[in-house]
Amino acid sequence: AQKVTQAQTEISVVEKEDVTLDCVYETRDTTYYLFWYKQPPSGELVFLIRRNSFDEQNEISGRYSWNFQKSTSSFNFTITASQVVDSAVYFCALSARGGGNKLTFGTGTQLKVEL
Amino acid sequence: KAGVTQTPRYLIKTRGQQVTLSCSPISGHRSVSWYQQTPGQGLQFLFEYFSETQRNKGNFPGRFSGRQFSNSRSEMNVSTLELGDSALYLCASRGTDEKLFFGSGTQLSVL
Repeated sequence: AQKVTQAQTEISVVEKEDVTLDCVYETRDTTYYLFWYKQPPSGELVFLIRRNSFDEQNEISGRYSWNFQKSTSSFNFTITASQVVDSAVYFCALSARGGGNKLTFGTGTQLKVEL
Repeated sequence: KAGVTQTPRYLIKTRGQQVTLSCSPISGHRSVSWYQQTPGQGLQFLFEYFSETQRNKGNFPGRFSGRQFSNSRSEMNVSTLELGDSALYLCASRGTDEKLFFGSGTQLSVL
């Protein structure tokens, strides 16, 4: 069985602070995919990143960066210099190879960025 | 390129009724899946369709069903609605790049 844990239910920061959202996963599969999505109040899940289990290279995209560590089964997400527009619920998700669109989601982390 | 389109955006039904939700995937995407999001259970996978065939199904009762048409558009149906079916229903489509893109969802309220 697969499981994704996002222990941080809610995080509040002041604009321009850096913030890291934690994600820990469990799977017996040797090949799998990890995702991060952002859900603003509008409800749409916005795709941020997809990473396969063979690629442990960290990735940076603008103010966003991801740290994938297979040894600790973690796929953490950092926002540098946070902005009010970053306020949303962030979900980490996991899918098995061959699992198609069947993602197992974490419970999400509500990020509030205040002025 | 238009994103995933779901209609209607909001829906109010009463217990015992049935409901049909619609999803148009991103142009060129042949794979469509549905998710249910509730405060208590979070995001849960309902089913996935590819080229009009159901490829995968989540752990939901038979009251939840879906289908996909030849143009890749998909519908899901919930029969004999229960209060617990109140949720945000999200549709997602996937192309060859394996990235899964979601629509804005249909907020269903069952009274």
